[in-house]
Amino acid sequence: QQQVKQSPQSLIVQKGGISIINCAYENTAFDYFPWYQQFPGKGPALLIAIRPDVSEKKEGRFTISFNKSAKQFSLHIMDSQPGDSATYFCAARRYKLTFGGGTRVLVKP
Amino acid sequence: NAGVTQTPKFQVLKTGQSMTLQCAQDMNHEYMSWYRQDPGMGLRLIHYSVGAGITDQGEVPNGYNVSRSTTEDFPLRLLSAAPSQTSVYFCASSYSGEWAEAFFGQGTRLTVV
Repeated sequence: QQQVKQSPQSLIVQKGGISIINCAYENTAFDYFPWYQQFPGKGPALLIAIRPDVSEKKEGRFTISFNKSAKQFSLHIMDSQPGDSATYFCAARRYKLTFGGGTRVLVKP
Repeated sequence: NAGVTQTPKFQVLKTGQSMTLQCAQDMNHEYMSWYRQDPGMGLRLIHYSVGAGITDQGEVPNGYNVSRSTTEDFPLRLLSAAPSQTSVYFCASSYSGEWAEAFFGQGTRLTVV
């Protein structure tokens, strides 16, 4: 039973478009929600993170939106670039990190 | 600046064989963990350590053993490999138990035939 559910499993977006990845969780004890980016053949790397007392966090073209009452959070990639093509994982922390299933993003030039 | 180093990068095992996946970090991190990555299932925690001499089980520990004799090294042992253990294995470390940022190695792709 996955504690963090991520969707979609894959998405294709045109260069300049917006990529949106959604995650939902059940455990209200989670206290930190990071997103990791993984390129082929590499390990995941921290991209951006948010705490549940904040509804939105933006870093460059990447934005996390957080809805505590709905127990959902999402990653928006604005002005998507071919270099953003990667697998993205959401995660939630309660002492340890629990990861979503991942989303493979392909940005077409 | 090596970070987290995993060896080997690729390995093929026969069912029943044993092997050790190596993980070393040079950041003096107390916290280390092993994950396996399977399609559609994300990363699942196998074992973790909060310091030398201290280890604990994660979400999917069966069939794996760990030990932590030094701060730098955290090897993962497969006792008797099974096809269900075919996966990509990642070692990660963190400077705090809050895991505000996990630093991952490049992974070991293991195939059990």
